[in-house]
Amino acid sequence: DGGITQSPKYLFRKEGQNVTLSCEQNLNHDAMYWYRQDPGQGLRLIYYSQIVNDFQKGDIAEGYSVSREKKESFPLTVTSAQKNPTAFYLCASRPGGGLHEQFFGPGTRLTVL
Amino acid sequence: AQSVTQPDIHITVSEGASLELRCNYSYGATPYLFWYVQSPGQGLQLLLKYFSGDTLVQGIKGFEAEFKRSQSSFNLRKPSVHWSDAAEYFCAVAGGNEKLTFGTGTRLTIIP
Repeated sequence: DGGITQSPKYLFRKEGQNVTLSCEQNLNHDAMYWYRQDPGQGLRLIYYSQIVNDFQKGDIAEGYSVSREKKESFPLTVTSAQKNPTAFYLCASRPGGGLHEQFFGPGTRLTVL
Repeated sequence: AQSVTQPDIHITVSEGASLELRCNYSYGATPYLFWYVQSPGQGLQLLLKYFSGDTLVQGIKGFEAEFKRSQSSFNLRKPSVHWSDAAEYFCAVAGGNEKLTFGTGTRLTIIP
């Protein structure tokens, strides 16, 4: 089955620790995205990548980092510099070129204890 | 900069009744518009999209939306809702940079 997988589904971390969220797609999509979702605020773009080895900051990149070493993988690291990391994180991808919608993964809920 | 407004935070509808969810966008050129649905704790599923052409767009699960450029709106409609339609609905706009901007969502509750 083609799709986007995110792991883990639930993640707990202590304050001051970095944590990495996984996002993998087997859709052969060029572009990948990370969003943060908080109640009542919709989805906000953290980082996106339109091609391997290249990525751009979104609207709320502070305290986060990403890498795009492989086309199918776009991991997100939530660093200790992120002041309020507890949220639901969604990964998405889309084909490159032309007009296409984004396809979303099932999400990871991160809770900072 | 592009933006999306969903004025209704929460809507309650009786099962079998009609539904309209409002969406207003701001974008200087031709917008690309989307409606997504999200069940609790899940990812987003695309309901429908508008890129160009016919302003009345049909989607999955019996949903449709109408693009009205003069009103900067892209309202979602369904003639008769089912209990399984209870979810959160997001309107989004994409500009030429391919980035999506989402509204804050409308939570739909269905009562028997």
